[in-house]
Amino acid sequence: GAVVSQHPSRVICKSGTSVKIECRSLDFQATTMFWYRQFPKKSLMLMATSNEGSKATYEQGVEKDKFLINHASLTLSTLTVTSAHPEDSSFYICSARVRGGSYEQYFGPGTRLTVT
Amino acid sequence: LAKTTQPISMDSYEGQEVNITCSHNNIATNDYITWYQQFPSQGPRFIIQGYKTKVTNEVASLFIPADRKSSTLSLPRVSLSDTAVYYCLVVPGLTGGGNKLTFGTGTQLKVEL
Repeated sequence: GAVVSQHPSRVICKSGTSVKIECRSLDFQATTMFWYRQFPKKSLMLMATSNEGSKATYEQGVEKDKFLINHASLTLSTLTVTSAHPEDSSFYICSARVRGGSYEQYFGPGTRLTVT
Repeated sequence: LAKTTQPISMDSYEGQEVNITCSHNNIATNDYITWYQQFPSQGPRFIIQGYKTKVTNEVASLFIPADRKSSTLSLPRVSLSDTAVYYCLVVPGLTGGGNKLTFGTGTQLKVEL
């Protein structure tokens, strides 16, 4: 089956620093990847849609200058949380849609970000 | 995007059949019904998807009535490892929606001995 990986699985950083999270489709090409954020005991909230070779589309209320998304290849999308603050602490999950396939999305294992 | 409503939580015992119902009154003609399972600190995992009537796979069954305004996920003979949050989603078909998934509150299923 289609596998999506994320790196790192968990990261702790200091307030004011930037953190990059990678999302990779391991055995398929993904023209579209999605980034979600999930707070404890809450549901997943879509942050942005990332298309290979073009700018990401951000959901309302998500600061594009704070959450930088790059989708440089068909197998890699990155999310950079810039100038992180404690309120950015959350579980970040990516998903990928198979290129030329159905609309089914495959989710990564998530990245736990803690900002101290 | 069609909004979904499902119970916040359900409790069951090992070996029982669990049915989780989801309502989606505003489902569009091209929308599909999809269920995901999520364990703590993990990404969601696809369980099953259907358009109408009944769909069955090795994990679950999905029942969709003719009006498609609701659906029921059926988990046969649950075990402790089925304790998770189950999300019902209405997914736009190939002709529209931009592939965006909207997650509702989900149903926290707790299975006990």
